[in-house]
Amino acid sequence: QKEVEQDPGPLSVPEGAIVSLNCTYSNSAFQYFMWYRQYSRKGPELLMYTYSSGNKEDGRFTAQVDKSSKYISLFIRDSQPSDSATYLCARVVSGNTPLVFGKGTRLSVIA
Amino acid sequence: DAGVIQSPRHEVTEMGQEVTLRCKPISGHNSLFWYRQTMMRGLELLIYFNNNVPIDDSGMPEDRFSAKMPNASFSTLKIQPSEPRDSAVYFCASSLLESGANVLTFGAGSRLTVL
Repeated sequence: QKEVEQDPGPLSVPEGAIVSLNCTYSNSAFQYFMWYRQYSRKGPELLMYTYSSGNKEDGRFTAQVDKSSKYISLFIRDSQPSDSATYLCARVVSGNTPLVFGKGTRLSVIA
Repeated sequence: DAGVIQSPRHEVTEMGQEVTLRCKPISGHNSLFWYRQTMMRGLELLIYFNNNVPIDDSGMPEDRFSAKMPNASFSTLKIQPSEPRDSAVYFCASSLLESGANVLTFGAGSRLTVL
């Protein structure tokens, strides 16, 4: 079992919709959770990260971690066509260990 | 800063040939990572370096793969001999490991096709 599981999609939504992207993980030792966004034929770029359970908000994006159920989510409000990309969740155990990524969810926001 | 620079961006080669991918990390970063991305397996860690020293190469698929980091500003990933199943996008990423979250900055990737 891969340490981070993610539904690959694809997910297609109309412009303005609220998008929910989800990952599950298996190792309780994970400390940090990150969301990366990858546009077609580009490298992944950090969107946001969170350390503890709870929510973190950045503009239209909210990251949520539920450590009791080993579930992490990314919500996108008022989705835009420019949000069309693959979203990768990642975990890290501690500050000096590499990230382990989910396979990514491909999102299309239709104008 | 120009970010993480990878070359070549695209490489098409024939089975059995040697392939060398290059990476220049962000100046001041002390860790470098090589990942491989395919549709089937997603983004997989191959090897990473801290202060130019290889720390974990357990993700390197076979002895055909090797990586070096001779100094803080340059790394190579070599495949010899290459096989069609090595076709993938190879990403280099760097980070500054201090405390807290390990935030990686990725390059644009090198797309390898082995015929």
